[in-house]
This record gives sequence, structure tokens and C-alpha cells, in this order.
Amino acid sequence: QITLKESGPTLVKPTQTLTLTCTFSGFSLRTSGVGVGWIRQPPGEALEWLADIDWNGEETYSPSLKRRLTITMDLSKNQVVLTMTDMDPVDTATFYCAYRRASHYFAHWGRGSLVSVTS
Amino acid sequence: QSVLTQPPSVSGAPGQRVTISCTGSSSDIGAGYDVHWYQQLPGTAPKLLIYGNNNRPSGVPDRFSGSKSGTSASLAITGLQADDEADYYCQSYDSVVISWVFGGGTKVTVL
Repeated sequence: QITLKESGPTLVKPTQTLTLTCTFSGFSLRTSGVGVGWIRQPPGEALEWLADIDWNGEETYSPSLKRRLTITMDLSKNQVVLTMTDMDPVDTATFYCAYRRASHYFAHWGRGSLVSVTS
Repeated sequence: QSVLTQPPSVSGAPGQRVTISCTGSSSDIGAGYDVHWYQQLPGTAPKLLIYGNNNRPSGVPDRFSGSKSGTSASLAITGLQADDEADYYCQSYDSVVISWVFGGGTKVTVL
């Protein structure tokens, strides 16, 4: 059974850096074709893909947010970490991590982590 | 603004059929990339509903079906039920900007 769980702060201040951790089980990021992505959703708004890292360590970022994002993986802990710099109130959103296998869709999602940006 | 275009809302009576369109471009759906659909029930995480244009994961009723043609795709829900009330998102891949892309979402209301 594949599970993913997001963890991190619920509140950050403007200009701070957000660090979110996705802890997963039921699959290995060493397996060919496997990837983990981060997607966010502002309250009442649509889903927005942010970043992805695959079994080969290849990182992909949303072009509009690339300069602010870093995605890394820790295979020993079965974790994927997303950092987002220079947070702004418009970045308030629920952040999801999701499992991707070979193809370009996200088959399993975490429950999400709501992050509010406020001074 | 989302890359893929969906109608903001659709509605139907119980038992009816509704369809949701998803329009892309020559760099995503039109480039041959598959379209996938997610259902997001109120207050929950998105759940994969259709993958690879018209495939249903185990457990998804056959009342849900997908299709793709050219630069567009559609999700159809037949025999509409009250618990189908949710937001539905299409998703594909853009080879020009190297990004996974989502639609703006469609809220389905059962009258």
C-alpha cells in the first residue's frame, strides 16, 4: 500500500523560507520510472504543479517558480523535501506530495499540508 | 491562470449524464501527451480518476469515462449520483516548458 504524508510548518512569515517534507512508504525512489511531485492549491483555487524528482535524481521545476524552489530526496529516510524561498501571502496554500510511476500522472497523493503566510 | 481550460461548473440531475471538457494546445494535449483526470471531494486530497485518457484505476466505477481528440479531452459521468459532487481536474504534460500542467477545475453539482 502506497502512502505519502506531508509535514512542515503551518505558519510562515513573509520573506521566510518554507521547508516541507514528504515521507512515503510502499514504494522505492530507487525503482526505475518512479517520481515524487509537489503540487499546491490555494484556498478555493486550482491545483498547480511545483516540482518533481525522479528515481534518477532528475529535478524538474515549474518555470514560473523555478528560482524559488529546490527539491531533494533522502533515500535512506524515504523522504522528499521541498524548499520554497521568499514566501509571500499569495503563497498560502495546501501543499500536496504525490507518487508518479513511469507515466505523467500522479497515482497516489498525500492528504496535504496547509501553509499560511502571514506576518 | 491554468494552462488547460475547463468550464468552471457543470450540473445535472441524478441519473443524468454530464461531460467536462479540457482544452489544451499543441505543446501539451496536441503534442500527444495523455490526459488524466482527478476527483477532489470537498475537504479532501485529489484522487486519480482516469489515467492515460480513458483508463480507470481499480475501484473507480465505469460510470466515469474519458476521451481525447486533438488538443482536447473530455470526462463523462453517467448515472450521476449525489456523491459525485466534487471538483474535477484534468492534467497533462507540456513538452515545451517541461512541466506537468493542470486545468482550472470544474465543479460538478448534482441538482
